[in-house]
Amino acid sequence: TQLLEQSPQFLSIQEGENLTVYCNSSSVFSSLQWYRQEPGEGPVLLVTVVTGGEVKKLKRLTFQFGDARKDSSLHITAAQPGDTGLYLCAGFGNQFYFGTGTSLTVIP
Amino acid sequence: KAGVTQTPRYLIKTRGQQVTLSCSPISGHRSVSWYQQTPGQGLQFLFEYFSETQRNKGNFPGRFSGRQFSNSRSEMNVSTLELGDSALYLCASSTLAAGGKVQYFGPGTRLTVT
Repeated sequence: TQLLEQSPQFLSIQEGENLTVYCNSSSVFSSLQWYRQEPGEGPVLLVTVVTGGEVKKLKRLTFQFGDARKDSSLHITAAQPGDTGLYLCAGFGNQFYFGTGTSLTVIP
Repeated sequence: KAGVTQTPRYLIKTRGQQVTLSCSPISGHRSVSWYQQTPGQGLQFLFEYFSETQRNKGNFPGRFSGRQFSNSRSEMNVSTLELGDSALYLCASSTLAAGGKVQYFGPGTRLTVT
């Protein structure tokens, strides 16, 4: 049973396009994190959001935490090949629960 | 600071055998968590250790066990290996920051059970 569902599962886009990845749950989390994982490596933390409705920007990446702290979105503007990777959301309750993952491929 | 290191990086074992994986956290981090990552189930939490005590445990059978030493290094053991135990095993050391708990992952140990 996955507490966090991500959509889409796979995404292949051209360089320069915009995209949004969604992370949804029926559970409330005290915080939510987004990670990017590249082949052969462990996930790397991108951002932590804590407050409902919070929006954080990291260069071309915009992260939003839902008002009820049950869901989150990651928006990438003008995607670049370097953005390619597996994006994972993780909600923290008494432990970290990871989402199902979104595999992003940005084609030059 | 050196990152989280995991050894070995790759391992091939036979069904029924046991295996021990090792994790060295970032210096100063006292919390170490273990995860199993598979294509079908994604990243699943195994357990967390803090100051040599297991603080939290995921929903895995008793064949999966771990321990932490006084220097915060941690080991994970899987006994009586099954084919379904083939996975990437990730270790993460963590610390508290202003925004909450921050995890730093190692590169993982790729375990193949034949």
